[in-house]
Formats: sequence, C-alpha cells, structure tokens
Amino acid sequence: GENVEQHPSTLSVQEGDSAVIKCTYSDSASNYFPWYKQELGKRPQLIIDIRSNVGEKKDQRIAVTLNKTAKHFSLHITETQPEDSAVYFCAASPGYALNFGKGTSLLVTP
Amino acid sequence: NAGVMQNPRHLVRRRGQEARLRCSPMKGHSHVYWYRQLPEEGLKFMVYLQKENIIDESGMPKERFSAEFPKEGPSILRIQQVVRGDSAAYFCASSPPFGTSGGNEQFFGPGTRLTVL
Repeated sequence: GENVEQHPSTLSVQEGDSAVIKCTYSDSASNYFPWYKQELGKRPQLIIDIRSNVGEKKDQRIAVTLNKTAKHFSLHITETQPEDSAVYFCAASPGYALNFGKGTSLLVTP
Repeated sequence: NAGVMQNPRHLVRRRGQEARLRCSPMKGHSHVYWYRQLPEEGLKFMVYLQKENIIDESGMPKERFSAEFPKEGPSILRIQQVVRGDSAAYFCASSPPFGTSGGNEQFFGPGTRLTVL
C-alpha cells in the first residue's frame, strides 16, 4: 500500500519567515495530494491540494509543488503569521482513501 | 450549507461496552470515509462507504468493527466490546460524487473522541 513520509516533525519559525514541509510517497498510482491544517482539538481543514497533472499550485501565501518523478511534494508558507501555528498533514491518494503523513507541528513565534 | 456533522463529540465507554459513532455528510455528498487518529499520529483510513454499500473496508479491523451508511440517516461506525486500545479520535469525511468538480476533496467532521476506561 501507499506509504507517506513527512518531514520535519516539528518546525519553529519567526513571524514573517517562510516554512517548508516536505513529503514523499511510494505508490506511483497516487494522483491526488491534499494538505490539511489541524489546530488542537479541531477537525483537519483542507488548505490546498494538487493533482498529478500539475506541477505547482499557489493560493495567496501557500503553495504546493509536486515532483512525480521523484515522488515528492512540498508545502510552502510565506510571510508566516502566529495563526499559522498548527499541525500540518500531507496526504497522497491513488483513488479515494487518503494516506496521511504523521504531521508537522509548526510554531510561528512573534 | 452545514458541514460534516458527527456525534457524539466525546464518548466514554468501559471495556466490553459498545460504541456507536454517527456521521452526517455535507449536503450533496454521497461518499463517506472514516479515519482513526491516535495521539501524536496522522489519520489512518478505515472504511469508505456510499449509500447502502461498503466500497472498501481494508483499513478496518476484521473483528469488533463495522460500518454502515443506510439509505436514510447518518453513517454509523460501530465498535463492539471496546478495549483500551480503541481510545482515539474518529473522524468522518465526505466528498461529492467522483467526476464532479472537486470529486476527490474530502471534508472532515469535528471528530468523536472515544475514551475507553
């Protein structure tokens, strides 16, 4: 089955800096790669996603890149703000089930 | 447009009791997924259902766990004879039919936090 590795597990940045989270996947059939943000005790919220026919997608301060050949994808957050502090999960899906990484705890300090 | 609803939000059971978790998908969504999240872990896929059909239950333990999504009413995840290791957050997600815009996108409910004493 699909195996998704996510790094780093924790990330601390100063407000205004950029944050990058990286994921690799194993199943070449995966074609959908969403990113979720989860605040403590809350539901995971979809923040951005990318499909295998696209290499990059941007939405305001967040962007995702996908390298199908290398089987890795990354989340980039620019101009970070304290409210960006949360756990971020990447996922990969060959069909319908989402296979999640273990998460990155991002802390943005003022 | 209400999001995915789950109840109860918190559930406490003693070992050996049954737990029933309910999920109502977003309006217009016909696909339901259940995931389990252990502390400090990512979410693990359990089961995928459409109305009156279990499509894939490969992530669900073979014993004590069952799921349904009846023609009327919410989807239910049922855990019989709970054990301490079942303590976790159980999230339900829903998506619109495949082939429609955003067919893969899964939207999560607030979760049910199950504690087994």
